[in-house]
Amino acid sequence: LAKTTQPISMDSYEGQEVNITCSHNNIATNDYITWYQQFPSQGPRFIIQGYKTKVTNEVASLFIPADRKSSTLSLPRVSLSDTAVYYCLVGDSLNYGGSQGNLIFGKGTKLSVKP
Amino acid sequence: NAGVTQTPKFRVLKTGQSMTLLCAQDMNHEYMYWYRQDPGMGLRLIHYSVGEGTTAKGEVPDGYNVSRLKKQNFLLGLESAAPSQTSVYFCASTPPGVGYTFGSGTRLTVV
Repeated sequence: LAKTTQPISMDSYEGQEVNITCSHNNIATNDYITWYQQFPSQGPRFIIQGYKTKVTNEVASLFIPADRKSSTLSLPRVSLSDTAVYYCLVGDSLNYGGSQGNLIFGKGTKLSVKP
Repeated sequence: NAGVTQTPKFRVLKTGQSMTLLCAQDMNHEYMYWYRQDPGMGLRLIHYSVGEGTTAKGEVPDGYNVSRLKKQNFLLGLESAAPSQTSVYFCASTPPGVGYTFGSGTRLTVV
């Protein structure tokens, strides 16, 4: 399973764009990159998933360079409600639950958005 | 459509007592998981199941048992609770190929 490294914490202000980078040097060919958001006292919530290049949805964008050894979650114009912990996970999404498919949650990045 | 429902939401146990945490999902997902989350530790996988009647150990399985008798339910048991099992427990489910859906958690305190 590919290990991920991401910053422990980040600070931002309302209205700014926030980019959180995750390193995953040992990513495998079948691995996808998935980001989750967790608010206090809640379970993590799926944000976005990608394999290469760029993925965008109504919440965020995910940028993945050609070598796939890192990825960047981009949150446009953050608000106070985006204050949360963000987790980057790498794993074979087509084999969730199998011996090669369990996703490992690290400690995540604690994003604090200030007014 | 309730998603993933965990019961109970809160519980206080005395050391040595037993209890069962219930996770129910109504999305017909094949895979289900139990995680625990401790302050500053992120989420750690306890046990998981890839289908009805199957279970497997995760990263921190000691002191826990699980059962998946029905596809929609995944039970986590503590036979003899210890203070080290004080934690927030999250259940999750997923079909292959997409992200996890998590429950809202069970906050367990063992005194």
